[in-house]
Amino acid sequence: DTAVSQTPKYLVTQMGNDKSIKCEQNLGHDTMYWYKQDSKKFLKIMFSYNNKELIINETVPNRFSPKSPDKAHLNLHINSLELGDSAVYFCASSQAPRGWETQYFGPGTRLLVL
Amino acid sequence: QKEVEQNSGPLSVPEGAIASLNCTYSDRGSQSFFWYRQYSGKSPELIMSIYSNGDKEDGRFTAQLNKASQYVSLLIRDSQPSDSATYLCAVLTSNSGYALNFGKGTSLLVTP
Repeated sequence: DTAVSQTPKYLVTQMGNDKSIKCEQNLGHDTMYWYKQDSKKFLKIMFSYNNKELIINETVPNRFSPKSPDKAHLNLHINSLELGDSAVYFCASSQAPRGWETQYFGPGTRLLVL
Repeated sequence: QKEVEQNSGPLSVPEGAIASLNCTYSDRGSQSFFWYRQYSGKSPELIMSIYSNGDKEDGRFTAQLNKASQYVSLLIRDSQPSDSATYLCAVLTSNSGYALNFGKGTSLLVTP
């Protein structure tokens, strides 16, 4: 009965590779988010989709490309991985992009770029 | 980007004491305020939300909001060792597309 799930949980890869992280929510929410938590534990928004449409695109390198095939899924593809991409990536979802909606976080994907 | 500031800690309190966690924010347009708890290696988990000035209580937790001072706090009464975690203050504004703007978190250690 996992609400927000992510795959894989761990990802170890070499610099220059391309990788994808998948996120699925079974809460019936319309809005999904990608956050990045760096080594200092600082959690920062990357992207947000509402009903499959991009509504937030923070200053993130072009190498990061989100895709939402339907409103229950939000994937993150990363091209040409760099050492600085090593972080924990959290997917989250909320009912709608409204100020009072709780965001529910997935378990995170721990990415290590060697 | 608008700032959300927290003391990084660690804040150490004995078991049974009150833990007080503080957060200030710079964007006066902020509308909603959240406290998330994050255990090491886990994802953030919402413990309190507050939208209007004053206090909001939920069990051992009380959130306090003062919009004039741009200040939000979390009190944990009867602290337990299981409360040891990082507490993240998050602020939401309409001009951020409703994405949460997080502080860097305060590490809380409750000692038996």
